[in-house]
Amino acid sequence: DAMVIQNPRYQVTQFGKPVTLSCSQTLNHNVMYWYQQKSSQAPKLLFHYYDKDFNNEADTPDNFQSRRPNTSFCFLDIRSPGLGDAAMYLCATSRGTRTDEQFFGPGTRLTVL
Amino acid sequence: GNSVTQMEGPVTLSEEAFLTINCTYTATGYPSLFWYVQYPGEGLQLLLKATKADDKGSNKGFEATYRKETTSFHLEKGSVQVSDSAVYFCALSVQYAGGTSYGKLTFGQGTILTVHP
Repeated sequence: DAMVIQNPRYQVTQFGKPVTLSCSQTLNHNVMYWYQQKSSQAPKLLFHYYDKDFNNEADTPDNFQSRRPNTSFCFLDIRSPGLGDAAMYLCATSRGTRTDEQFFGPGTRLTVL
Repeated sequence: GNSVTQMEGPVTLSEEAFLTINCTYTATGYPSLFWYVQYPGEGLQLLLKATKADDKGSNKGFEATYRKETTSFHLEKGSVQVSDSAVYFCALSVQYAGGTSYGKLTFGQGTILTVHP
């Protein structure tokens, strides 16, 4: 019954080595979101897609990119990870209206060595 | 702009104690209000929501009432359990007149709750 799936759950990369995180959904939702979360802080929205329409947050570093090849899948690419990019990365989906909640995946914990 | 302010934590309670976590908001537009819970090492889960003024959301013994006059959405539970230990986030989503926010959430800073036996 998994609805939002993230792979891998744990990712270790080296400083400057590109990494890709994966998210898939079985809910057929229009909107997919990527968040960065550090410690027990609030998740920080990086970007989101409404269908194929990409929406970047103004303060998201250029180092972060995303792809959504189809409704079910969305990828987060970190081109040159720095130590400050170590965090939990959360994917979420929604039907995209004011009243609809977001459904979150379990997250990918990224470690940068 | 939109913002959410939660009471500062961490909050430490004994089992069966009464819980209140305060949440106030400012919003332009017509907000829906949410409480999410995050258990250690996991993603966020929706706990409850309210989409218009005076609505009460409830789930698993938790309740929160959307108070437009005080711009608040305080979370309460009458008797907490050890299993309620988690981080709680208050959040809002706004529909702009003539447009859409695509369900974007504005989160509070989170409140860490620890319940001891």
